[in-house]
Amino acid sequence: ETGVTQSPTHLIKTRGQQVTLRCSSQSGHNTVSWYQQALGQGPQFIFQYYREEENGRGNFPPRFSGLQFPNYSSELNVNALELDDSALYLCASSSGIGSGNTIYFGEGSWLTVV
Amino acid sequence: RKEVEQDPGPFNVPEGATVAFNCTYSNSASQSFFWYRQDCRKEPKLLMSVYSSGNEDGRFTAQLNRASQYISLLIRDSKLSDSATYLCVAENYGGSQGNLIFGKGTKLSVKP
Repeated sequence: ETGVTQSPTHLIKTRGQQVTLRCSSQSGHNTVSWYQQALGQGPQFIFQYYREEENGRGNFPPRFSGLQFPNYSSELNVNALELDDSALYLCASSSGIGSGNTIYFGEGSWLTVV
Repeated sequence: RKEVEQDPGPFNVPEGATVAFNCTYSNSASQSFFWYRQDCRKEPKLLMSVYSSGNEDGRFTAQLNRASQYISLLIRDSKLSDSATYLCVAENYGGSQGNLIFGKGTKLSVKP
């Protein structure tokens, strides 16, 4: 519906492993933000990419990293997975970083760490 | 203190009822505010932006009180389909658009 697609939709990883989540932004959108939503919590801002550069980061450790490609799709990488990393990971895209640019969320990737 | 605080509920109301959700935010410099709706195991979807002058969209009315750092959402004539979690959101001042601070959400359950 929003034109933002994420993959995979569900995955299970073991503690200590690494995971890569992917996001294709809506056509024409050059800005991608990533959020983590733990059960019973609101989404928490991880970081944002604008035109392939990181443009802001939330309170997440360095083992959370990302990148944005020339087509503005994006990846979120998490190393050394911990049980508390189990969450819904949401990608949101927008056509710019200024206020007034509506952001659109993808359906998310459900990560379970066991 | 949490940056955006809201009553988690749940609010259990009958169809046709009027229900109000409140939210407070801590960053007085925040400029933009929103209400998002999130259905169970789905992504958040923008319900409406919140302006100081107040804004209305059908059965939904949002209000912002900057002096009190308080945001509200009023839902009139509740429908079964309004059952969801409602997230209060402030744009992080100094951050870029898309750097949003979400509350934990208020769960609404509308019963027949």
